[in-house]
Amino acid sequence: EEQLVESGGGLVQPGGSLRLSCAASGFTVSHMSWVRQAPGKGLEWVSVIYGGDNRYYADSVKGRFTISRDYSKNTLYLQMNSLRVEDTAVYFCARGAYGDFFDYWGQGTLVTVSS
Amino acid sequence: EIVLTQSPATLSLSPGERATLSCRASQSVSSYLGWYQQKPGQAPRLLIYDASNRATGVPARFSGSGSGTDFTLTISSLEPEDFAVYYCQHRQNWPLTFGGGTKVEIK
Repeated sequence: EEQLVESGGGLVQPGGSLRLSCAASGFTVSHMSWVRQAPGKGLEWVSVIYGGDNRYYADSVKGRFTISRDYSKNTLYLQMNSLRVEDTAVYFCARGAYGDFFDYWGQGTLVTVSS
Repeated sequence: EIVLTQSPATLSLSPGERATLSCRASQSVSSYLGWYQQKPGQAPRLLIYDASNRATGVPARFSGSGSGTDFTLTISSLEPEDFAVYYCQHRQNWPLTFGGGTKVEIK
């Protein structure tokens, strides 16, 4: 059964760092994305990594966030540096499908950036 | 960046009624548009990809149409479990973007 489980969220001060993890089972983390949702708001795509290792980022996180994966652990990561208050959100990992849509999602992990 | 505008923001309907949701793109996305359903406290669920293709396990009462800049998600007869927020998303280029959502609520 396909499953994604995120971890690593929490409370961090502005300017701080955090690394999110997303452990996959039932499939390989070859084409994966991070999508976030601020409290009470809509969905925002954050980053994607493809099987060929190409990576893309939303302008709002470019230069601050890095997406990566470890095939041996079948786990996706999001390294978040220089965090801002506006990065506060639930972060979902999701599997890419049918091009760049998302067919399997994790349950989400909450990141709160506050002093 | 392609902006997706969804309307209406809220749709108040009764079970058994037909729901018609709109998504308009600021420039052509060809047929590269999808729809998701999200219930409170849950992750989104993919319903439709590439404008009109139902994802695995999605009931036939959900259908999508459109191309270019104007798209529609139709729920032919609302079931109690269909009351939720619906988002559209394009995959025309990066950044991928989502619409602001339409909430389908019980009238």
